[in-house]
Amino acid sequence: DAGVIQSPRHEVTEMGQEVTLRCKPISGHDYLFWYRQTMMRGLELLIYFNNNVPIDDSGMPEDRFSAKMPNASFSTLKIQPSEPRDSAVYFCASRTQQGTYTEAFFGQGTRLTVV
Amino acid sequence: LAKTTQPISMDSYEGQEVNITCSHNNIATNDYITWYQQFPSQGPRFIIQGYKTKVTNEVASLFIPADRKSSTLSLPRVSLSDTAVYYCLVLEGSGAGSYQLTFGKGTKLSVIP
Repeated sequence: DAGVIQSPRHEVTEMGQEVTLRCKPISGHDYLFWYRQTMMRGLELLIYFNNNVPIDDSGMPEDRFSAKMPNASFSTLKIQPSEPRDSAVYFCASRTQQGTYTEAFFGQGTRLTVV
Repeated sequence: LAKTTQPISMDSYEGQEVNITCSHNNIATNDYITWYQQFPSQGPRFIIQGYKTKVTNEVASLFIPADRKSSTLSLPRVSLSDTAVYYCLVLEGSGAGSYQLTFGKGTKLSVIP
């Protein structure tokens, strides 16, 4: 398996524009996580899905952020409208759960810059 | 969710053993301890997970005392490539937050030649 695949790797957009980040989890994994990382706030959990269903979105900063998982092999994180403070690296991660073993696999991330 | 506390940064020379200790005083009975490593410009990577006593794999060892209120990640004979941020996480073993990965600030390890 190629691992968790995120696209694009880099995104530069103007304030007010819509941004869509994409993630393809590892096949067979039933949990998918979206994180945001900045120097100031570290690695923050935004939302996670189990079997394509959002379980906890309490980390989503505001209504401008939305995430979907239409099927087991694809998820999107959308920001509309984008603001400069949304600039960060966004990571997607996936895992399966076999007993208590909980290793999660992260993608390479999308570096978002909003100017 | 058990709060974790670990040093912000550590320095070590190449070839030395590095021990990073994490405090998690309010860990619950069903919780597990796991460590991740993050290199610059990459996503975190799983290193090791344990519940009690000692766990060892090809990368590191994890020592957990009987009271489980702390844990120590041990990296044998570090090299420059071990320079990274190391995160200690406590995973809830049951309930709505089961195995939810919540990261703290981590420990930035710098290995010096």
